[in-house]
Amino acid sequence: DAGVTQSPTHLIKTRGQQVTLRCSPKSGHDTVSWYQQALGQGPQFIFQYYEEEERQRGNFPDRFSGHQFPNYSSELNVNALLLGDSALYLCASSTGRLSGYPTGELFFGEGSRLTVL
Amino acid sequence: AQTVTQSQPEMSVQEAETVTLSCTYDTSESDYYLFWYKQPPSRQMILVIRQEAYKQQNATENRFSVNFQKAAKSFSLKISDSQLGDAAMYFCAYRSPSGTYKYIFGTGTRLKVLA
Repeated sequence: DAGVTQSPTHLIKTRGQQVTLRCSPKSGHDTVSWYQQALGQGPQFIFQYYEEEERQRGNFPDRFSGHQFPNYSSELNVNALLLGDSALYLCASSTGRLSGYPTGELFFGEGSRLTVL
Repeated sequence: AQTVTQSQPEMSVQEAETVTLSCTYDTSESDYYLFWYKQPPSRQMILVIRQEAYKQQNATENRFSVNFQKAAKSFSLKISDSQLGDAAMYFCAYRSPSGTYKYIFGTGTRLKVLA
């Protein structure tokens, strides 16, 4: 059973460039969430995609955008990169049900380490 | 807004001993979920244990157990018989039962296991 897979694992960009990160959810999952984890910090919620639409968004600027495809995979795009965007970007998948049991447990990928120079 | 606080940036434990990691949170909700996630050097976050706030009984998963004190808004993780493989970053997380889909994470505690 394939878990959550992310690509690329590492990448280096320069300020002002654009980046696309990719995520394939765990088999059977239809919901993808993206988190940004800066060095020494806990993950911060960027947004969540369900049924190919952004269902909720955290406190991130519009430079951060995403997409979900019919096969439930997802992309995170960041435009006009800033030095402060350097972080580990984590993708997590879950099932669409939110309330009740199960609790929408998140399954994480290994992340994409983005360095902005 | 809900917040999660982990006040121990780093903890050490001798192999086979017991260690407790602390977590406090702030919320005005009466029902919610709490989690402990482990992030080893491989970076993949793994769920260790979860607790539903409406359950009074503390959750247990093998060597891992929690001390959930709802009135004090405290959710500590106890690791018994610590093993070298337990060395990792541990994150406490909060999630509302409905109306929001995001998890709120603390800043983490790095656990070192000494042989």
